[in-house]
Amino acid sequence: DAKTTQPNSMESNEEEPVHLPCNHSTISGTDYIHWYRQLPSQGPEYVIHGLTSNVNNRMASLAIAEDRKSSTLILHRATLRDAAVYYCILLAPNAGNMLTFGGGTRLMVKP
Amino acid sequence: GAVVSQHPSRVICKSGTSVKIECRSLDFQATTMFWYRQFPKKSLMLMATSNEGSKATYEQGVEKDKFLINHASLTLSTLTVTSAHPEDSSFYICSADRTDNEKLFFGSGTQLSVL
Repeated sequence: DAKTTQPNSMESNEEEPVHLPCNHSTISGTDYIHWYRQLPSQGPEYVIHGLTSNVNNRMASLAIAEDRKSSTLILHRATLRDAAVYYCILLAPNAGNMLTFGGGTRLMVKP
Repeated sequence: GAVVSQHPSRVICKSGTSVKIECRSLDFQATTMFWYRQFPKKSLMLMATSNEGSKATYEQGVEKDKFLINHASLTLSTLTVTSAHPEDSSFYICSADRTDNEKLFFGSGTQLSVL
């Protein structure tokens, strides 16, 4: 089974870029990489997802390593509202869409 | 966009009572729904996979008689915590599978506190 590992916490200054890493060295060729964030006592909120190519949306960018064994979520300009726990999640279509959650990275944003 | 509705968002109950949590997919049919449990400052842990019209598949260590799952329709799955005890206090979250591997759809979660 695939596993994902993330740093427990990271700190950023407001208005600066943030790079949140995720290692998934046992990812299979068909697993999707999703990133969600979670505020206290709330369900996870979608951030971005991808398969092989880098992805951009209005919230963030996702950089996927060529070998797909790691990925990085990039917040271009952190705001105080971006303070949350960010989860790197693998979705396995060949395993009944099973989700594998990383431990999550708690992002703290300093004003 | 697709929405998953989960309620109640918070429930406080006495030890020994049963609590039902509902998870609904509002604008799509979900043949599969997942139930997770989350302890404070911990990641989500899969409890069971709920398939419409069939028995749920439970993860190792999850008591099926304690956590009853019913997926009677393509838009509704329920988790019933039977004879709840304080150690069952936790944050429970559902997710619904739209099978297109695009966005995942999570409920907003239910904070269960058993006194």
